[in-house]
Amino acid sequence: SQQGEEDPQALSIQEGENATMNCSYKTSINNLQWYRQNSGRGLVHLILIRSNEREKHSGRLRVTLDTSKKSSSLLITASRAADTASYFCATPPLIQGAQKLVFGQGTRLTINP
Amino acid sequence: DAGITQSPRHKVTETGTPVTLRCHQTENHRYMYWYRQDPGHGLRLIHYSYGVKDTDKGEVSDGYSVSRSKTEDFLLTLESATSSQTSVYFCAISDMGGDTEAFFGQGTRLTVV
Repeated sequence: SQQGEEDPQALSIQEGENATMNCSYKTSINNLQWYRQNSGRGLVHLILIRSNEREKHSGRLRVTLDTSKKSSSLLITASRAADTASYFCATPPLIQGAQKLVFGQGTRLTINP
Repeated sequence: DAGITQSPRHKVTETGTPVTLRCHQTENHRYMYWYRQDPGHGLRLIHYSYGVKDTDKGEVSDGYSVSRSKTEDFLLTLESATSSQTSVYFCAISDMGGDTEAFFGQGTRLTVV
């Protein structure tokens, strides 16, 4: 089974609204990463949050991490049509020396004009 | 864009034939990864490398082998392709494994008929 799981699997909102995606994981990590994938393309790194951080911001992105609940959330504020993509969390398992970069199934976000 | 190139970008092959996919990087990153992406499964790790001649298995390694004889190249081989290996394959590189961001190639679409 996969280390990380995103929720929801699909999300459709109106342009200008905020989008929230969640990631839960199973084993201890020292960081959690979020990536975006536009249709037919490779993944692009968005943000990395370390296990000793609770919140991190980058532009319109806000990421939170709760290690006690083994969960993270990605908030995209003031969504735009260009935010339409799939979003993945990556959770390198600490037990394996954080060498493996393991992804969940992703959340497919659609921004409606 | 990070210097990472996958070849070929598209390939159609017959069941039972060997297939080799190539990932080439110009970033001198230590870690290289091979993933497959299928609908409903997200990205699943096949194999990864943490140095020249140093490789390890991922979640779905059966039917695949890898080799890394030099820093810049990571080869994925399907010894005898099966229809279940029809997928989109992505290569990724990272300087410090799961501890830093990864950069992805454009993907190889493989169809086994």
